This record gives sequence, C-alpha cells and structure tokens, in this order.
Amino acid sequence: EVQLVESGGGLVQPGGSLRLSCAASGFTFSSYWMSWVRQAPGKGLEWVANIKQDGSEKYYVDSVKGRFTISRDNAKNSLYLQMNSLRAEDTAVYYCAREKRDPYSQGAHYMDVWGKGTTVTVSS
Amino acid sequence: EIVLTQSPGTLSLSPGERATLSCRASQSVSSSYLAWYQQKPGQAPRLLIYGASSRATGIPDRFSGSGSGTDFTLTISRLEPEDFAVYYCQQYGSSSWTFGQGTKVEIK
Repeated sequence: EVQLVESGGGLVQPGGSLRLSCAASGFTFSSYWMSWVRQAPGKGLEWVANIKQDGSEKYYVDSVKGRFTISRDNAKNSLYLQMNSLRAEDTAVYYCAREKRDPYSQGAHYMDVWGKGTTVTVSS
Repeated sequence: EIVLTQSPGTLSLSPGERATLSCRASQSVSSSYLAWYQQKPGQAPRLLIYGASSRATGIPDRFSGSGSGTDFTLTISRLEPEDFAVYYCQQYGSSSWTFGQGTKVEIK
C-alpha cells in the first residue's frame, strides 16, 4: 500500500525549532518530487516547499524562505522539514505529499498521495 | 505568482442536485498543471481531477473537470451524501504550487 506518515509535530514557543519527518512506503520514494503543504486552523491549503528526487533542487513559499529547510534521505525513504524561528502564523497541520509529474498525461503535475498530517502549534 | 480565485465560497445544495464550482486564475494556466482536490473535515485532501479534466484513479464519473486558460470548472453531476466537503483547485507554475481558497459544498 502506498503510504505517507508524518511525525514530529507538537507545541513549540515562538522563535523555537521543530523537525518534521515523513516516512514513505509502498512506492519508489527516490523517483518522486515531494512536497510539504500546510493548513492553518479553519483555513485553506498552502504549499510550503518541495524537493527534487535527488535533493538537487528545492523551492519554498516566500513566507518560509530562510527559516525552513526541506531535505530527504532516499536510503531511509524519508522526507524532512526543519523549521526554525517559528512564528504563531506557522501554526498548522503539515502534510507531506507526493508529486506526480506524468509524462503520459501531457506532462500533468499534481499531488496524488497525501499523508494524514502532523499538527504544529506555535504558542507561548 | 498566479492567484487562483474560487467561487462561490459556499454552495448550498441538496443530494441529487448538480454542483458547479469555478476556479479563475490571475494569469493563464497550462491545463496540464490544474488539479482539483476534495477535503473532508479532519482528513487529508484527496486528488479528484488532474490535467484539468482527467479523473484520478477510483474517482466516480459524476465528477468532471473542464476549462482552459484562466477559467476552470469542477462539476458534480448528482451530489451524493459523501460529496459534501470542501473543494480546492491547484496550479503548478514557476517551480511552485498555489491553491485556491476553497469552495465548501454544504447540505441545503
């Protein structure tokens, strides 16, 4: 079964750090771009960051640049998000998602597998 | 950055009715890069439509997507009780992703 399982969320004070993990199984993890997407309480979805199969390319939403770092370990089938200098507005459920870049569907790009999410709360 | 605007914010309909959800982009979007997701309370998003009009695996044929350029539509032909949820459109461009703000389909 194709699966993504996030962990590492919790309560952290403003200015603090947290490292999220996402364990992948049931597919060849090293063949896919991967993303982190977050959802603040009662709000919509916001893409946070993504990383290429070999880790050579990484992209971030402007609001987290310089504070968050996405990484991966293909030997461990794991995706990570290191979050530093956390702010109250980073409070959200964080999902990891697999990106599909489908050469057989006119190059369609979409996120076809999602984890259940891990909750990050930034509060004093 | 391309902004996606979904309308209406909330759609109040009865089971069996047709739902039409709109997603408008601030600039032209490649149809290949436009997707739709369904999210129910406490659950992760689920892919419904990719490439603007292709149904994802296991998605019933009452869900259909259409559109091009800056205007895209998700249609649910006859609402089933399990279809009441929030729906998001999403686009990929310039090495980043953006989502619309969502349309809630609620029971009337």
